[in-house]
Parts: sequence; C-alpha cells; structure tokens
Amino acid sequence: SQQGEEDPQALSIQEGENATMNCSYKTSINNLQWYRQNSGRGLVHLILIRSNEREKHSGRLRVTLDTSKKSSSLLITASRAADTASYFCATDPFRGSYIPTFGRGTSLIVHP
Amino acid sequence: DTGVSQDPRHKITKRGQNVTFRCDPISEHNRLYWYRQTLGQGPEFLTYFQNEAQLEKSRLLSDRFSAERPKGSFSTLEIQRTEQGDSAMYLCASTIPGGKRSDTEAFFGQGTRLTVV
Repeated sequence: SQQGEEDPQALSIQEGENATMNCSYKTSINNLQWYRQNSGRGLVHLILIRSNEREKHSGRLRVTLDTSKKSSSLLITASRAADTASYFCATDPFRGSYIPTFGRGTSLIVHP
Repeated sequence: DTGVSQDPRHKITKRGQNVTFRCDPISEHNRLYWYRQTLGQGPEFLTYFQNEAQLEKSRLLSDRFSAERPKGSFSTLEIQRTEQGDSAMYLCASTIPGGKRSDTEAFFGQGTRLTVV
C-alpha cells in the first residue's frame, strides 16, 4: 500500500495559470518531499518540507504542510508548458529506516 | 559522476527468462533503493541497501526477485522466470544520509523499462 495519495489524479490548465495539487498521508512523518517525473524518465526532487515547517518556497513552487490534517499542497505559479509532468509526494513511514514512499501522483498538463 | 546510471534502459524478454538490471549510484551515496513503477502509478518500493547490507527486502514482490550490492557500489536486480506481470519500469535511487534521519533527497536514475512478451 502507498503512504501518500495525491489529488487530483489529473489536472489540465492553460499556460500562465496556477496549478495546485494535494497530498494526504496516513502516518506521522519527519518530512515530506515533492518530486517531478517527465514521461518515461526518472524522478527529480523538487522540494523538502520538514514536519516543523508550515510553508516553503522555491522559485515558482510553494509547498504547505499541515501535520494535524496529514496533508500537503504543492502550488506551481505562472505555469509553463514545460511544467507538464507527473508530480509525486514522498513520505517516510517506515520506522527505523528512511525509505521514500510515494503516492500515485498528479498528472499535470499545461497547454501553451 | 553525473548522476545515477541504470543499464539497460530497455529490455524485452520472453516469459520464463531471467533478467538482470544494473544500477550505478552517485559515488559518495551509500544508500541505494530499488523501485518498480507501473503505468499510472507511483514508484513502489522493493528493497534498499546501506553500503553492501540489504536492510529491507520484505517488499520484494516474490522470491523470483533478488538484489545484490556486493561491494557497496553498484547494485543488480534480478528477476527469475519472468512473467508478463513483471512488465514495468524499474527505478534505482541513491541518497546520502543527512544530519537527521530523512533530511536528504533521493536521486533517481532514468529507469529500466522491462517488457515481458
């Protein structure tokens, strides 16, 4: 079973619009990470937010974390066609080991 | 060293054959992970190594799957007697432990896409 679940499963927007995707998880975490995957390629790390942080920014990315609700959101502002990819959140639910555990992802399509 | 390298990128095999994939992690990374990813799903954890020690292998999908990292550098994932259901992307990732248990990002290879016909 997968720890994190992203929502929505698919998102289609126009270039310039903002894209928001959410991640819910089940067990307590030390941190939560977001990754991006272009079609048929490996995953690329985007941003890490620690359990004691509520919000983090990196360029056009904004991540929030609500540990009371066990949820996180990733906002991509002023989206570009090149942002088209799948986005995954990763948590570390295994006790005693660090094993990044992924949800099913959100497939984002940005139309030029 | 430009990143995590996986070989081959693509593999087509007949059902019942054995296949072996190789992963070369970033040289200073002592943790190495194997994942399987099917279409429309996220990466599914299989196993991981800390140096040459395999610390978690309960998630390997069956006893047909095995992994090694004999010298703590590259790793191999073998699937014996392949089945059509084994068709998937197999991803390798490596990390270096951070100051806190999980304060590190995982660097992924491009994956090996396996097709069992």
